[in-house]
Amino acid sequence: DGGITQSPKYLFRKEGQNVTLSCEQNLNHDAMYWYRQDPGQGLRLIYYSQIVNDFQKGDIAEGYSVSREKKESFPLTVTSAQKNPTAFYLCASHQGGTSYNEQFFGPGTRLTVL
Amino acid sequence: SQKIEQNSEALNIQEGKTATLTCNYTNYSPAYLQWYRQDPGRGPVFLLLIRENEKEKRKERLKVTFDTTLKQSLFHITASQPADSATYLCALDEGFQKLVFGTGTRLLVSP
Repeated sequence: DGGITQSPKYLFRKEGQNVTLSCEQNLNHDAMYWYRQDPGQGLRLIYYSQIVNDFQKGDIAEGYSVSREKKESFPLTVTSAQKNPTAFYLCASHQGGTSYNEQFFGPGTRLTVL
Repeated sequence: SQKIEQNSEALNIQEGKTATLTCNYTNYSPAYLQWYRQDPGRGPVFLLLIRENEKEKRKERLKVTFDTTLKQSLFHITASQPADSATYLCALDEGFQKLVFGTGTRLLVSP
């Protein structure tokens, strides 16, 4: 089955720790995205990558870092510099190019800071 | 940047009725607009896409309209069912394969 996987589903972090959220896709999509979702708010873009070895900051990149060493993988690191990291994190992919196709989303990772 | 407004209050309707959800945007008209469904604790799922030169798009019981003059899209679910209960998100193209999402409207369909 083609799709996007995110792990873990639930993640608990102590203050001051960095944590890395995994995102893998087997859709052969060029573009990948990380969003953060808080209660009562829409999805906010953290980082996105349109091609391997290249990525751009989204609207709320501070305190986060990413890498795109492989087409199928786009891990997100939540650093200790992120002041309020407790949220639902969603990874998505898109075919890329000029297509008007939709974004495909993973099941999400819920991060809680203790 | 683009601002999107969706009704933050839940929409409660009875089974069999038509649900109508609204998405308003404030700036430039996007090349296309998308609607997604999101169930609690899960990722959004794509439903429909409508382009700026299309007035209406249909898929089974779903219909989307796009009025660039009013800067508004309407999302309709006809013959609604309890299984349609979910949050529905509107998303607009921002260029460079980026989308901006609304906060979503929660739909509750009662049997």
